[in-house]
Amino acid sequence: AQKVTQAQTEISVVEKEDVTLDCVYETRDTTYYLFWYKQPPSGELVFLIRRNSFDEQNEISGRYSWNFQKSTSSFNFTITASQVVDSAVYFCALSEGTSYGKLTFGQGTILTVHP
Amino acid sequence: EPEVTQTPSHQVTQMGQEVILRCVPISNHLYFYWYRQILGQKVEFLVSFYNNEISEKSEIFDDQFSVERPDGSNFTLKIRSTKLEDSAMYFCASSSDPTESLHFGNGTRLTVT
Repeated sequence: AQKVTQAQTEISVVEKEDVTLDCVYETRDTTYYLFWYKQPPSGELVFLIRRNSFDEQNEISGRYSWNFQKSTSSFNFTITASQVVDSAVYFCALSEGTSYGKLTFGQGTILTVHP
Repeated sequence: EPEVTQTPSHQVTQMGQEVILRCVPISNHLYFYWYRQILGQKVEFLVSFYNNEISEKSEIFDDQFSVERPDGSNFTLKIRSTKLEDSAMYFCASSSDPTESLHFGNGTRLTVT
């Protein structure tokens, strides 16, 4: 069965610090997708990134970067020079095989960025 | 950019009552989903729907739950007899293709008293 673990329940940083959110996943499928979502205090789910299991290239988007390592089953997310607006709950998620729309979410990491 | 719309944003109901949560997916999307998030917990898959039938459902989606696409635009989740533990945020999502990323609505917060 698939599983996503976000071991960090809460992280607190000061503005401009870099922060890395960890995500470890378990799956028996060789074909799967990994996701990151942001949930701000207003409650909606904001899509950040999707990665398929065959693409281990790291990705950078502005201050955001993602490190996908199949060898350690990890898909970590780094925010560089954090800002107060980055404060939110961040969820890592996994979908397998032909059930691409069935996402298994991690427990989430609450990130608080202090001014 | 087109978006998934959910109404109402907040619904309060009494235990035992039926409730219908409404969603308008993106117009050319064919795959529809409901997810649930109990306060402070992770988001959980409930059900996927395609071609007017359920494709997959989770253990949470028991006989109290049903989904329907009553017309060409709406996608509804019905809870027949609500329980206190049904209190949660319910998210609707849609996609144009099963391999495409889901577009989530802003959610409906259901409070059962």
